[in-house]
Amino acid sequence: AQTVTQSQPEMSVQEAETVTLSCTYDTSESDYYLFWYKQPPSRQMILVIRQEAYKQQNATENRFSVNFQKAAKSFSLKISDSQLGDAAMYFCAYQRQGGSEKLVFGKGTKLTVNP
Amino acid sequence: NAGVTQTPKFQVLKTGQSMTLQCAQDMNHNSMYWYRQDPGMGLRLIYYSASEGTTDKGEVPNGYNVSRLNKREFSLRLESAAPSQTSVYFCASSGGKGGGRVEQFFGPGTRLTVL
Repeated sequence: AQTVTQSQPEMSVQEAETVTLSCTYDTSESDYYLFWYKQPPSRQMILVIRQEAYKQQNATENRFSVNFQKAAKSFSLKISDSQLGDAAMYFCAYQRQGGSEKLVFGKGTKLTVNP
Repeated sequence: NAGVTQTPKFQVLKTGQSMTLQCAQDMNHNSMYWYRQDPGMGLRLIYYSASEGTTDKGEVPNGYNVSRLNKREFSLRLESAAPSQTSVYFCASSGGKGGGRVEQFFGPGTRLTVL
């Protein structure tokens, strides 16, 4: 079974600075998707970024980018120019390509942004 | 376009009571999911429906039943609620196989307390 591990229960960053959240996963599949979801205090799950395993290029979405290391099974999220609104729980998730498309989540990292 | 809607937003039950959580999506998605979120545990899949007319168990199905009423609606039923089912419940949907529509879109969640 696939597993996703987020080793940092909590992280903090100063406003305008950069922070990196770590995620590792375990799978025997070669084709899959990886996601980062943000959950602010409102509880809503918001998709931040997605990465297809077959793509070597790291995904970017404005201030959010990933470092995808397929061989190492690592998928970290970098937030640049951190803003107060970035404060939230961040979840890393894995999805096998094809099949049932179920998401397997890590336990999350709570990010605090200090003014 | 409301996306994924869930009712109710909050619910308190006594042990042994039953209830149904409702979920609907207006994105014409094929697949729908029910997750629960417990503190420190991330989200875990309860049941999913890959397409209209099919349902399958996820990681934590015990104590729950589901119904895929039509393509839009996917309900979760607790027949005899237990305190261990106190959690936040999320419904999600995705486009299904093909076309790259793999992202899951989440509803706002239902906070359920079982006394």
